[in-house]
Amino acid sequence: GENVEQHPSTLSVQEGDSAVIKCTYSDSASNYFPWYKQELGKRPQLIIDIRSNVGEKKDQRIAVTLNKTAKHFSLHITETQPEDSAVYFCAAVGAGGSYIPTFGRGTSLIVHP
Amino acid sequence: NAGVTQTPKFQVLKTGQSMTLQCAQDMNHNSMYWYRQDPGMGLRLIYYSASEGTTDKGEVPNGYNVSRLNKREFSLRLESAAPSQTSVYFCARGDGPYGYTFGSGTRLTVV
Repeated sequence: GENVEQHPSTLSVQEGDSAVIKCTYSDSASNYFPWYKQELGKRPQLIIDIRSNVGEKKDQRIAVTLNKTAKHFSLHITETQPEDSAVYFCAAVGAGGSYIPTFGRGTSLIVHP
Repeated sequence: NAGVTQTPKFQVLKTGQSMTLQCAQDMNHNSMYWYRQDPGMGLRLIYYSASEGTTDKGEVPNGYNVSRLNKREFSLRLESAAPSQTSVYFCARGDGPYGYTFGSGTRLTVV
């Protein structure tokens, strides 16, 4: 089955800095890569996603890049703000029919004011 | 914007007790999932249901059973709770082939 590795497990930055979270996946058939943000005590919520036919996608301060050859994808947050502090999860979804996401273990992002 | 409603939000059980976690979606989407979340372990799939009347095991099914009562409801049952099942449980709904909406979670403690 699919295996998703996520790094780092904890990331501490100063407000205004950029943050990068990286994920690798094992199944070359995976073709959808969502990112979820989970604030303390809340449910995971989708913040951005990318399909395998696209190399990069941006939404204001957030961007995701995908390298299919190397089987890795990354989340980039620019001009970080304290409200960006949360746990971020990457996921990979295959096209095998069940569309079940396999999640990374999460990155705890702390943005210091 | 409930989307997916889970009950209860919190529960404390004694070892050996049983309970059912309830989940209901406000749409008629086919796919529903149960995950458990433990510190440093991410979200691990317990069971899923690709359509009404079907259920399949995920990564960590031992100690759990599920029922897809109808298209809207997907329940998770712990027959004999163990301390290792202390976790936060999330139900999710599949939104088309890609995309998922999570419930607000159930924080379960087994003592």
